[in-house]
Amino acid sequence: QVQLVESGGAIVQPGRSLRLSCAASGFTFSDYGMHWVRQAPGKGLEWVAQISYDGIKTSYVDSVKGRITVSRDVSKKALFLQMNGLRVEDTAVYYCARESLVEVPSGDYHYYMDVWGKGTTVTVSS
Amino acid sequence: YDLTQPPSVSVSPGQTASISCSGHKLGDKYVCWYQQKPGQSPVLVLYQDNKRPSGIPERFSGSNSADTATLTISGAQAMDEADYYCQAWHSGTAVFGGGTKLTVL
Repeated sequence: QVQLVESGGAIVQPGRSLRLSCAASGFTFSDYGMHWVRQAPGKGLEWVAQISYDGIKTSYVDSVKGRITVSRDVSKKALFLQMNGLRVEDTAVYYCARESLVEVPSGDYHYYMDVWGKGTTVTVSS
Repeated sequence: YDLTQPPSVSVSPGQTASISCSGHKLGDKYVCWYQQKPGQSPVLVLYQDNKRPSGIPERFSGSNSADTATLTISGAQAMDEADYYCQAWHSGTAVFGGGTKLTVL
């Protein structure tokens, strides 16, 4: 079945680095764009980053630009999130999500996140 | 770009619940809705304003016009109690609403 499994979450001190992974199975990983979405304790969802199906295009929320990098390894069917210079406000559950798309009447595409993992917890604290 | 949702909505079992999501010219964009139950990851319940993924009950429907998108749950059930998030795209980035806690009682 289609599945995403995150790993790599940990308790780290401010300023340190961490690399999250997301293992994909049950679908052709190289056909899909992927996202990272986070949720701070007791808060709502916040989109973090996106990478295109071919790994060429990436985009980030402003608050993580320059500190966080999303990447993918098609051979390993894996998505990564390299987080440097971690801050207390980066504390959250991090979800990876698959991106699907549908063509809309204008001829453009509408993108949506149709499969989510269970998340991995990152705690940044001194 | 901000999407605004009411913090909470209550509905009696079997009645209709409506959850709004407001944003500047939101009707010019397509909206998704996600359901999140306590301790679980989000689940897509609507995309392209009103399309239901496979496995989502017909009681979930949606609309989007002008500045407001609405998720409607017709005949709400106890199992629908959850947080609901709207999401749209703006300048190539995904934006989520703050979420609405739906209580069925």
